[in-house]
Amino acid sequence: AQKVTQAQTEISVVEKEDVTLDCVYETRDTTYYLFWYKQPPSGELVFLIRRNSFDEQNEISGRYSWNFQKSTSSFNFTITASQVVDSAVYFCALDSGAGSYQLTFGKGTKLSVIP
Amino acid sequence: NAGVTQTPKFQVLKTGQSMTLQCAQDMNHNSMYWYRQDPGMGLRLIYYSASEGTTDKGEVPNGYNVSRLNKREFSLRLESAAPSQTSVYFCASSVIAGSTDTQYFGPGTRLTVL
Repeated sequence: AQKVTQAQTEISVVEKEDVTLDCVYETRDTTYYLFWYKQPPSGELVFLIRRNSFDEQNEISGRYSWNFQKSTSSFNFTITASQVVDSAVYFCALDSGAGSYQLTFGKGTKLSVIP
Repeated sequence: NAGVTQTPKFQVLKTGQSMTLQCAQDMNHNSMYWYRQDPGMGLRLIYYSASEGTTDKGEVPNGYNVSRLNKREFSLRLESAAPSQTSVYFCASSVIAGSTDTQYFGPGTRLTVL
């Protein structure tokens, strides 16, 4: 069965600090997809990234970067020079296997960026 | 391009009342989904519609019904609301069916059942 673990329940950082959000997953599939979503205080879920299991290259998008390591089943998310607008709950998710329609979500990490 | 829209944003019901949550998407996506989000439990799939004219149960379908009215609209109905259905409900859509495709979410409906 698929499982996503986000061990950090809450993190607080001071503005401009770098922060890494951890995501560890379990799956028996050889082909799978991983996602990160952001849920700001307003409540909507905002898609950040989708990565397939065959692409282990790190990805950078502005201040955001993702480190995918199949050897440790991790897909960590780093925010560089954090800003107050980064304050949100961040969810890591995994596709639930071939033929499934449900994403398997982690329980989320609440990030608070203090000015 | 509004993306995925949901109405209402907030709703309070009494136990036993019924209501329908509305969802619409303007991205010409084929698949649509309803999730519920409970504190500390992430999101769980209630029902999904892989394509227009089809609907299927997800992980937690009991107490709910759905209608895929057309390609754009997917509604969720609570026939007899219970306090256990107090939750935030999210509608999502994706281009193709299946959890490997990116799902885009609406803003959510916060439902309280007293």
